[in-house]
Amino acid sequence: GENVEQHPSTLSVQEGDSAVIKCTYSDSASNYFPWYKQELGKRPQLIIDIRSNVGEKKDQRIAVTLNKTAKHFSLHITETQPEDSAVYFCAALSGGSYIPTFGRGTSLIVHP
Amino acid sequence: DVKVTQSSRYLVKRTGEKVFLECVQDMDHENMFWYRQDPGLGLRLIYFSYDVKMKEKGDIPEGYSVSREKKERFSLILESASTNQTSMYLCASSRITGELFFGEGSRLTVL
Repeated sequence: GENVEQHPSTLSVQEGDSAVIKCTYSDSASNYFPWYKQELGKRPQLIIDIRSNVGEKKDQRIAVTLNKTAKHFSLHITETQPEDSAVYFCAALSGGSYIPTFGRGTSLIVHP
Repeated sequence: DVKVTQSSRYLVKRTGEKVFLECVQDMDHENMFWYRQDPGLGLRLIYFSYDVKMKEKGDIPEGYSVSREKKERFSLILESASTNQTSMYLCASSRITGELFFGEGSRLTVL
């Protein structure tokens, strides 16, 4: 089955800096890669996703890149703000599957 | 607005008790999931269901069972709670190959 590795487990940055979280996956058939954000005490929510037919997707200060050859994808947050502090989960799904395999999560702390 | 509602936010139970965690979604989603969330271990899938009365084991089904008698409702059952089942339990629903919508979570403490 699919295996998703996520790094780092914790990331501490100063407000205004950029943050990058990286995930690798094992199943070359995976074709959908969502990212979820979970603020303290709240439910995880989808913030951005990418499908395997594109290499990059942006939404304001967040972007996701995908390298299918190397089987890794990354979340980039620019100009970080304290409200970006949360746990971020990456996931991968294979074509025809509706069950995401999650990474273990990255705790991002943005210091004012 | 999609809503996934979990019946209890916080529960305290004793070892050996039977525990029911209920989840209801209002978006007519086919798929429903139960995850367990523990620090450093991420989201681990316990069971999922792709249709009424259909269920499949996830990665950590031992000690758990589920029930899906109606499309909108998915219940997680701990037949005999143990202390190692103290955790946060998250329910989620989705359409086929779609975004997961999570509930607020149920924090279970087993004494």
